[in-house]
Amino acid sequence: GQNIDQPTEMTATEGAIVQINCTYQTSGFNGLFWYQQHAGEAPTFLSYNVLDGLEEKGRFSSFLSRSKGYSYLLLKELQMKDSASYLCAVSPGGYNKLIFGAGTRLAVHP
Amino acid sequence: GAVVSQHPSRVICKSGTSVKIECRSLDFQATTMFWYRQFPKQSLMLMATSNEGSKATYEQGVEKDKFLINHASLTLSTLTVTSAHPEDSSFYICSASGPGLAGGNEQFFGPGTRLTVL
Repeated sequence: GQNIDQPTEMTATEGAIVQINCTYQTSGFNGLFWYQQHAGEAPTFLSYNVLDGLEEKGRFSSFLSRSKGYSYLLLKELQMKDSASYLCAVSPGGYNKLIFGAGTRLAVHP
Repeated sequence: GAVVSQHPSRVICKSGTSVKIECRSLDFQATTMFWYRQFPKQSLMLMATSNEGSKATYEQGVEKDKFLINHASLTLSTLTVTSAHPEDSSFYICSASGPGLAGGNEQFFGPGTRLTVL
């Protein structure tokens, strides 16, 4: 079966750093995505990893270890607008479909 | 970047009626489109995958006769919820895949359609 796990909720302080973990077990692997979703809105693309290692993009970084079935999203210099749900999604291959985790609701407070 | 639109953004209908939701890729050709539904505080659940000019592939547990999907062109897919009932009330989101980042695997999401069935 397909299984993607991530924490349900996290809180952090403005200006701090937060790491959101994701573990996965899927029938195949063709890449891992992180999306940000504000309440009532569609997800927006943050990052994509298909090889092991760290991908950095501004305040956001994403790491992947395929052997461990593990990824994390690192958010630096947190801002209030970063309060949102963060969705980990895996492409198991075939028609580019994505399997989404339940999402992590991040609350950033002053 | 690639833009996907959805129409309508919000719809309220009576139980037993049918509702059609349109998903359009505005500036790229979408060889594959996906339809998701999302209940409050839950993640996206893939309903079906559609490729232009062929029948949609439905996920297990999704009734293909209730959720009709048509992908008539490389820029348009429609989802019709037939004989809608209150339990069909949800946030429906489409996405499109085509030339872009992530080796072509990236999906670009529409803004979603909030369906409320009375």
